[in-house]
This record gives sequence, structure tokens and C-alpha cells, in this order.
Amino acid sequence: DTAVSQTPKYLVTQMGNDKSIKCEQNLGHDTMYWYKQDSKKFLKIMFSYNNKELIINETVPNRFSPKSPDKAHLNLHINSLELGDSAVYFCASSQGSGGPYEQYFGPGTRLTVT
Amino acid sequence: GDSVTQMEGPVTLSEEAFLTINCTYTATGYPSLFWYVQYPGEGLQLLLKATKADDKGSNKGFEATYRKETTSFHLEKGSVQVSDSAVYFCALSDPRGSTLGRLYFGRGTQLTVWP
Repeated sequence: DTAVSQTPKYLVTQMGNDKSIKCEQNLGHDTMYWYKQDSKKFLKIMFSYNNKELIINETVPNRFSPKSPDKAHLNLHINSLELGDSAVYFCASSQGSGGPYEQYFGPGTRLTVT
Repeated sequence: GDSVTQMEGPVTLSEEAFLTINCTYTATGYPSLFWYVQYPGEGLQLLLKATKADDKGSNKGFEATYRKETTSFHLEKGSVQVSDSAVYFCALSDPRGSTLGRLYFGRGTQLTVWP
């Protein structure tokens, strides 16, 4: 069974559209994250939720809105997509938020905005 | 604030060569240190970690020692294989204060191993 799964794996869309990426973890973890990886492999944290509560909200445009319906799911909705949003988006989860916990990453969603 | 600096790549080696990827950190507290690896087309996965000074993390022939005096956590492997070709990320987590245990990643080092 996949520990952290994301859908879709690839997403190609036009500027101005709205899209969502879904993430699910079956590890029983309390904390989930969204990261953005640019073309140079630089990883930037975007959001983190602990037990459905937002605990990290980095400087991200308001067009990005995370939603956590339960602690096993963390979705990312993006409004009015721009060319600069093209990247690979990774979901991750960890046992908790306050210790040296390993983060488990999903396979990534490659978003291409044309 | 907390940060990680790792050597820029790409690093290109022949099979069986010795590997070192340097990583230094800045932290206000007593962080835990990690190396993550990202194989082509995949997400990151934990390679090894160390949670206190002088600890040595090891896995799959890779090693790194937490050096508080030099604030370093260099990754080493004695004999690399083609299958080690990947991007390697150094990271730290400072569980104290307001950082909420978040991971701070270095910029990643691309390793390519030729047969």
C-alpha cells in the first residue's frame, strides 16, 4: 500500500484556470505538508496542518488554499493559475510537528501551466 | 534563523569512487539533522538522520556524523554505485520555539555516477 499518495501525477492546464491536487496518507500521521519544488530542485514549504489545524502558512499567494477535511487528507486548490506556478508539488506527512520526525513524501504532482 | 548550506552540484563520479557532499547548518537551538534522497521521478525519502551531537547516522553504505563544533553533517560513501545517482538534500529540524519541528532543506546536490 502506498503510504502517501497524490493525484493527479501530471497536470497540464492553461493560465487562469483553477485546479486541485489531492493528497492522502495511510500512516496514521497527525501532520501533513505541501512543498513546491522548482526546476532547480529547490524545495519550499508552503503549508502544514496538524490534526486538521493550519500550523505553517508560508509566504504563498492567496491563490493557493489548502484544505484538510480530516487528518489523513490534505488538498491544495489553486485559483487563477499563472506560468510561475509550474513546478512539482509534493505532499508529505509526519508523526507529529514538534520533534525530529521523519517526513514521508508522496510521488509528486508535476503541474505545467501553459 | 535556521538554515542549511550544502555544496552545489552537480557532482559526477565514476563507480566505486569516494563521495563527500558537504553540509553545514545554522540553528538557534539543538537541531536534528537529516539527509534525504530523491531518485529521478520520485519523492524524497529519508536516507539517514542524527538527533544529537556526535551521533552518526548510516544507511545503505552512506554515513554522516553530527559535528556541533563545526556545525556540519557531511554525507560520505566509500564506494558509490550507478544506482546512487540522485539528488541529495541536507535538512535540519529544530523542535524548539516557534518552528514547530519544520524541516529546513538545503538546495540539493545532484549526484551522477558513471559505470
